[in-house]
Amino acid sequence: QSALTQPASVSGSPGQSITISCSGTSSDVGSYNLVSWYQHHPGKAPKLMIYEVNKRPSGVSNRFSGSKSGNTASVTISGLQAEDEADYYCCSYAGSSTWVFGGGTKLTVL
Amino acid sequence: QLQLQESGPGLVKPSETLSLTCTVSGGSISSSSYFWGWIRQPPGKGLEWIGSIFYSGTTYYNASLKSRVTISVDTSKNQFSLRLSSVTAADTAVYYCASLLYSSGSYSYFDCWGQGTLVTVSS
Repeated sequence: QSALTQPASVSGSPGQSITISCSGTSSDVGSYNLVSWYQHHPGKAPKLMIYEVNKRPSGVSNRFSGSKSGNTASVTISGLQAEDEADYYCCSYAGSSTWVFGGGTKLTVL
Repeated sequence: QLQLQESGPGLVKPSETLSLTCTVSGGSISSSSYFWGWIRQPPGKGLEWIGSIFYSGTTYYNASLKSRVTISVDTSKNQFSLRLSSVTAADTAVYYCASLLYSSGSYSYFDCWGQGTLVTVSS
């Protein structure tokens, strides 16, 4: 059960769009539509941003969208805002009631 | 609104056992809508799922930690706990408890998290 692969960092200017990828295998991301994304500001509790690949919880901005193709999931943030600067983690169901997270991506808003 | 709060020692000696408790408020730990999980984040690293428990006591563990981990539940106190034995410096991390919500036919995502508690393993 290896960690999902995310880019260490991404950056963008306010108003731009960025995409963070999350690469897994056919045993996790590729097999289940149970990919979720979390926003994490250091020192705070992680916040659910996307669940079941592309669903947004109530209260999460529609600037956040999720998708999946094969073994890779992605989250796109459009209209970047300063408040979006945070660490982002993907998570996937990995079978047999186990879960695997990504290594995290630091988003910098320039 | 569900709230989770971790508690326990912030410093544990090498080879000893790390023990943490998560108190759930705003909802019942006996709800079939949830599994309850522990997740950790070592300094400078990503999140790692440790394990999950159902109110009935059914548990699932990360294979890499299974030999050292025990997660238990106390429904009378609305709490669940983590014990990690034989700790080393590699177990130094912020430990989070979280609720794993049932959605669309399966337990689907971690919808609510505690603030996390830093546990340092050092003599």
